[in-house]
Amino acid sequence: AQTVTQSQPEMSVQEAETVTLSCTYDTSESDYYLFWYKQPPSRQMILVIRQEAYKQQNATENRFSVNFQKAAKSFSLKISDSQLGDAAMYFCAYFKGGNTPLVFGKGTRLSVIA
Amino acid sequence: DGGITQSPKYLFRKEGQNVTLSCEQNLNHDAMYWYRQDPGQGLRLIYYSQIVNDFQKGDIAEGYSVSREKKESFPLTVTSAQKNPTAFYLCASSINFRGSGANVLTFGAGSRLTVL
Repeated sequence: AQTVTQSQPEMSVQEAETVTLSCTYDTSESDYYLFWYKQPPSRQMILVIRQEAYKQQNATENRFSVNFQKAAKSFSLKISDSQLGDAAMYFCAYFKGGNTPLVFGKGTRLSVIA
Repeated sequence: DGGITQSPKYLFRKEGQNVTLSCEQNLNHDAMYWYRQDPGQGLRLIYYSQIVNDFQKGDIAEGYSVSREKKESFPLTVTSAQKNPTAFYLCASSINFRGSGANVLTFGAGSRLTVL
């Protein structure tokens, strides 16, 4: 079974600085999808960014970008120019495709220090 | 606006009672899911459904039951057999479970169940 590991239970960053959240996963598939979801204090889950494994180019959404290393099975999230509103739980997720649901990591709690 | 509505937001239950959490979506999504969230445990899948009148167990289905009689609705019943039901429950849906649409999930706002 696929597993997703987020090795940093908690992280903190100064406002306006850059922070990187780590995620590794285990799979024998060659085609799959990876996601980062954000859960702010309201607990509403929000999609931050997604990456298709067959695309070599790293996905970017405004201040959020990923470093996708397929061979290393690593999918880190970089948040640039951190803002107070970025404080949240961040979940990495893997989707094999077909008749399978997403598999989530245990999350990283990010604090932003003013 | 389209979305997922979960109710109630907060629910208290006495031990030994069954309780049903509601999840309704107006996104015309095919697939629906229930996740349980506990501190330090991430999101764990309880049940999911790809089409009406069909559903599959997730990783922690024991003590829970679901139904999918309508495309829009996927209620979750927490039965008295669930030994530790106090948790935050999230419902989600996706448009294209089998296809190549990357299975992006849309989530509801969640329901917090507390057993007294």
